[in-house]
Amino acid sequence: QVQLVQSGAEVKKPGASVKLSCKTSGYRFISYYIMWVRQAPGQGLEWMGRVNPSDGGTIYAQQFQGRLTMTSDTSTSTVYMELSGLSPEDTAVFYCASFSSHFWDLWGLGTMVTVSS
Amino acid sequence: DIQMTQSPSSLSASVGDRVTITCRASQDITTDLGWYQQKPGKAPQRLIYAASTLQSGVPSRFSGSGSGTEFTLTISSLQPADFASYYCLQHNNYPWTFGQGTTVEFK
Repeated sequence: QVQLVQSGAEVKKPGASVKLSCKTSGYRFISYYIMWVRQAPGQGLEWMGRVNPSDGGTIYAQQFQGRLTMTSDTSTSTVYMELSGLSPEDTAVFYCASFSSHFWDLWGLGTMVTVSS
Repeated sequence: DIQMTQSPSSLSASVGDRVTITCRASQDITTDLGWYQQKPGKAPQRLIYAASTLQSGVPSRFSGSGSGTEFTLTISSLQPADFASYYCLQHNNYPWTFGQGTTVEFK
């Protein structure tokens, strides 16, 4: 089955880190970039960055530089996103999506991360 | 960074109405643009890629047009399932950027 399965909801304290997973199945893992998108409650979509599963290459949005790490594991067809230095403003749903500029578009269901003391 | 200015931020419409949403890029992005629909509590899904090509399975009442800096998503006859939020995404230049979104509400 072609799908992206994201890890479960997380609750973190300010200053902590969170590592989310996005397990792919049903298609060739290395064929498409995986991007991560953040959506704060009631807000719009924010592009965080992308990882190229074929070589692990990453591009991050400037606002996350220094505290965002995306990795890929070809042995398990899984991508990870780690965000450090969490603040309450990071409370959001995080989506992974398998991206191609043409025809291919596949999203996970999202992972809710709550940052609260 | 390329800024995507999307308008309107919200609109009220009735079933059967023609709806138009616009995204303006701060610089030329050729046709490296997609349109996404998101319903409450759900993940986004792409409707249009390459500015004007309908994603497989998407109803033909959706259409996209434009190139360069001006892009439009049109719903020719709004249906109940279309009340949702819509976003454009440019992938011409890093960082990729979304428009601010348009919420289509029932009038």
